[in-house]
Amino acid sequence: QLQLRESGPRLVKPSETLSLTCTVSGDSMRSSTGTWGWIRQPPGKGLEWIGSIHNDGTTYHNPSLQSRVNMFIDTSKNHFFLNLSSLTATDTAFYYCGRHSIWVGMTDYWSQGSLVTVSS
Amino acid sequence: DTVMTQSPLSLPVTPGESASISCRSSQSLLHSNGYNYLDWYVQKPGQSPQLLIYFASIRASGVPDRFSGSGSGTDFTLKISRVEAEDVGLYYCMQALHVPPAFGQGTKVEIK
Repeated sequence: QLQLRESGPRLVKPSETLSLTCTVSGDSMRSSTGTWGWIRQPPGKGLEWIGSIHNDGTTYHNPSLQSRVNMFIDTSKNHFFLNLSSLTATDTAFYYCGRHSIWVGMTDYWSQGSLVTVSS
Repeated sequence: DTVMTQSPLSLPVTPGESASISCRSSQSLLHSNGYNYLDWYVQKPGQSPQLLIYFASIRASGVPDRFSGSGSGTDFTLKISRVEAEDVGLYYCMQALHVPPAFGQGTKVEIK
């Protein structure tokens, strides 16, 4: 059974960069033919796709965030990473990592999610 | 960007009855391979979203057959037959054909 766990700071200051790590366990990331993604949800609101990354490093970004998003992957250590720069209060959200089994869809495994608050 | 519109946004249901949620896409989700790239997820209170349906009508592993998906192109429906108390939650459709993938606003299913 695949498990994903995201880790990183829970409180970040405005204008700083959020760095999150997603650790995959239960199987090698290299066994997956889909992509690995980041999705967020402001408290009490809906879901927003941030971006996804393939095992070969190919990335897909949400254009609304593209200039602030950087993703990379280390399949040898079963990790993938998200950096989101120039934070503002509107970036306060629950951040989830997940596995997409079909390109950027069919997200069949999700992390528990962590609330990241942007505040001074 | 593709816009996903769900209705209704709130759905009170009596246990044992059926419930239907509509999802409309601003662009066709039909791929040249014949599949519609439309997922359904449920987010139960305090939990992460869970995959229910992919390719518009294929149930994910472990999902009860009370859940069924239908539709093609731009119009899709999730049906829950014989609603149970454990089905309470927020239901989202999501298109996965066009970048960026987009979710509907969510439909809150609650028990009357």
